[in-house]
Amino acid sequence: AQSVSQHNHHVILSEAASLELGCNYSYGGTVNLFWYVQYPGQHLQLLLKYFSGDPLVKGIKGFEAEFIKSKFSFNLRKPSVQWSDTAEYFCAVNAAGANNLFFGTGTRLTVIP
Amino acid sequence: GAGVSQSPRYKVAKRGQDVALRCDPISGHVSLFWYQQALGQGPEFLTYFQNEAQLDKSGLPSDRFFAERPEGSVSTLKIQRTQQEDSAVYLCASSLVLAGLGYSPLHFGNGTRLTVT
Repeated sequence: AQSVSQHNHHVILSEAASLELGCNYSYGGTVNLFWYVQYPGQHLQLLLKYFSGDPLVKGIKGFEAEFIKSKFSFNLRKPSVQWSDTAEYFCAVNAAGANNLFFGTGTRLTVIP
Repeated sequence: GAGVSQSPRYKVAKRGQDVALRCDPISGHVSLFWYQQALGQGPEFLTYFQNEAQLDKSGLPSDRFFAERPEGSVSTLKIQRTQQEDSAVYLCASSLVLAGLGYSPLHFGNGTRLTVT
């Protein structure tokens, strides 16, 4: 079975700081990888996804993530965060062709103006 | 158009009561998923429907949990004889097509927060 580890539980940054949130997964086969974001009081929204091709994927709002297969990692990055990025971020993985997503425990990001 | 709608938004139940949680997916979405999110955790898969067929219920924690989607649209998650450990946010998600999730992102509802006292 797949599992996902997000090592940072709570990250606090000042505006304009750079962001990198770690995500590691365990599964030996082909995977699809996702980052979801949950803004305060809102539903989970897809931020970006990787399923094949260029391992550097770009998502909405200036976010990007890089799939490093040898490290089983899919870290999320943003060069300059804004106060509006304050949210909870979830990394998720599914085995290619499977039905369900396995989520990490989430990282709460607080951006201080 | 409208997103995934879940009701009620909040539910308080006494231990031993039965509860029913409703999900209205986005119109035309074939796939429907239920997830359970405990406090401080990520969502955990419960069950999956493709139209009216429940294809995977491997995540249901016990036989007290039951889900249905009789007409392939609205779905109901029922929990019988609720226990305190059932307290969580129950999320519903839908997606458009049958293909692998990488090609059809999940659209989540706001969830139902269940508190069992």
